[in-house]
Amino acid sequence: DTGVSQNPRHKITKRGQNVTFRCDPISEHNRLYWYRQTLGQGPEFLTYFQNEAQLEKSRLLSDRFSAERPKGSFSTLEIQRTEQGDSAMYLCASSLASSGGLNEQFFGPGTRLTVL
Amino acid sequence: QKEVEQDPGPLSVPEGAIVSLNCTYSNSAFQYFMWYRQYSRKGPELLMYTYSSGNKEDGRFTAQVDKSSKYISLFIRDSQPSDSATYLCARGGSYIPTFGRGTSLIVHP
Repeated sequence: DTGVSQNPRHKITKRGQNVTFRCDPISEHNRLYWYRQTLGQGPEFLTYFQNEAQLEKSRLLSDRFSAERPKGSFSTLEIQRTEQGDSAMYLCASSLASSGGLNEQFFGPGTRLTVL
Repeated sequence: QKEVEQDPGPLSVPEGAIVSLNCTYSNSAFQYFMWYRQYSRKGPELLMYTYSSGNKEDGRFTAQVDKSSKYISLFIRDSQPSDSATYLCARGGSYIPTFGRGTSLIVHP
């Protein structure tokens, strides 16, 4: 399977614990995005990387959230001291950068986080 | 004002009906638009994209952009129960695509 993969698919944690999610993009894609999606809403942008550089972060991304993309390949999203409001689907997407182009994104299956 | 807005529905239709899903957008400079389909508890998958104005057809699906009214539409002909999903419109052509909240479609047999 050469699509975007995410692990784990589901995570249940207790409030205050730290969690880490992993995303493996399509191999030739240089852009990688993290989104958060809650019920009845579209994906909300969190952050994105071009290669290994984190180029933009949303105001939604509090200090408890950190993302990395070492060597421009896979990426991790860590949430420290989880809160119940962090419960959501965390989606990863990748795309191939092109100047003035569509920026077509391919999404992974998501990691569903439940904070008890 | 959000860049892309959608009515969340749900929209319920009988099998075989023609479905019309719609979005409005805020900035007339937007050129690229995408439609994604998302099944329950799955990631979105790209259905179609359009550039500028006009129609684009792919099988039972037709995407349409009306720049004069800043309106984008997705039409589904001969709808099937397997089309039941949430349909997200998105603005592309930038570093950070932005998504509507999605319209839930239910096609009942």
